[in-house]
Amino acid sequence: DQQVKQNSPSLSVQEGRISILNCDYTNSMFDYFLWYKKYPAEGPTFLISISSIKDKNEDGRFTVFLNKSAKHLSLHIVPSQPGDSAVYFCAATGGEGNKLVFGAGTILRVKS
Amino acid sequence: KAGVTQTPRYLIKTRGQQVTLSCSPISGHRSVSWYQQTPGQGLQFLFEYFSETQRNKGNFPGRFSGRQFSNSRSEMNVSTLELGDSALYLCASSLALAGEWTGELFFGEGSRLTVL
Repeated sequence: DQQVKQNSPSLSVQEGRISILNCDYTNSMFDYFLWYKKYPAEGPTFLISISSIKDKNEDGRFTVFLNKSAKHLSLHIVPSQPGDSAVYFCAATGGEGNKLVFGAGTILRVKS
Repeated sequence: KAGVTQTPRYLIKTRGQQVTLSCSPISGHRSVSWYQQTPGQGLQFLFEYFSETQRNKGNFPGRFSGRQFSNSRSEMNVSTLELGDSALYLCASSLALAGEWTGELFFGEGSRLTVL
């Protein structure tokens, strides 16, 4: 039972354009949603989060949008840079202590 | 401030053996979690410890166990290894108490286990 799904295994974007990564979830109890970025041979690092009471959170080039009725969130990166090339994991938490439920990840490649 | 440290970084075992992985959290962090990452599966939650007590456990068989020491360092053990246990095992620490936590974890670089 995958509670958090990232349906696109990979995404390729030209440098300077917008990258949009998508994530769907099924559990209505989730109250925080997060995006983590992972480079090869490194652990995931926290990127940005959003509370379930908000619909948008912005941090520099990164914006996360939450659509609770559709149980969908997305991460927008604009402008995309080659250094953004990494695996992006969507994650959620809520009601089960300090536990994150992760999606399978999306590989983002930003071409220069 | 030192990050989360995991040892060993790489190890190879054979089926039936057991393995112990170690994790030192960020100083002051009392919550330590373990995740298993396999290709196409994302990160799967194994367990979380806080002040030497297991607070939460994922859906893994009893062969997977862990513990936390009084200095917050944690170990996880996998007994009777199977080929499917080959994965990257990630340890993460956090500062916030349950109820205040908003999901931010600080991950180590992981221990890559290969089972032959």
